[in-house]
Amino acid sequence: EPEVTQTPSHQVTQMGQEVILRCVPISNHLYFYWYRQILGQKVEFLVSFYNNEISEKSEIFDDQFSVERPDGSNFTLKIRSTKLEDSAMYFCASNYPSEKLFFGSGTQLSVL
Amino acid sequence: SQQGEEDPQALSIQEGENATMNCSYKTSINNLQWYRQNSGRGLVHLILIRSNEREKHSGRLRVTLDTSKKSSSLLITASRAADTASYFCATAYWGYQKVTFGTGTKLQVIP
Repeated sequence: EPEVTQTPSHQVTQMGQEVILRCVPISNHLYFYWYRQILGQKVEFLVSFYNNEISEKSEIFDDQFSVERPDGSNFTLKIRSTKLEDSAMYFCASNYPSEKLFFGSGTQLSVL
Repeated sequence: SQQGEEDPQALSIQEGENATMNCSYKTSINNLQWYRQNSGRGLVHLILIRSNEREKHSGRLRVTLDTSKKSSSLLITASRAADTASYFCATAYWGYQKVTFGTGTKLQVIP
């Protein structure tokens, strides 16, 4: 079965630093998403992306966050100035035309 | 927010028993999906039920949807130790723009 891949699997950064989380969605999918999960708790929607623009974003997705599809395969989430509370597992997902979401294995971000 | 709430938050059963998890949501939906997450891993899609469907089966899984009560249930029959995981419901209210997840039920199946 096709997979969504995410790199790196773990990222440790200092507070205030910029981080870029990378994802390769499934090749024929057209909708891409970022979610985050803190300590195995609820899975929070951050943003959806379609046709090279943000489709919808949550209140969590403030000006410190941005997404980009820099080429035909990668989808990135950038956090400009990380805060302690940004520490979480970040999941990338893709779908459409499939309705079901395919998730990557996640990037565990630790902000020190 | 239309985020769902699962009930119970945690469930512990013996192998072979049935496990039932419930999900409630707040707004009208297009479809409702159930996902499974093994500890620390990505979520895996289990089953999708559309707003005009009332019940759906897939193997040992049975999902019901009651749109008048804005609730769904997931039944896992004849549970196995390998079913130990967290289970989340997810709702899409229109199109693909936003799929939101509930709070999850942690299921432990004791061998």
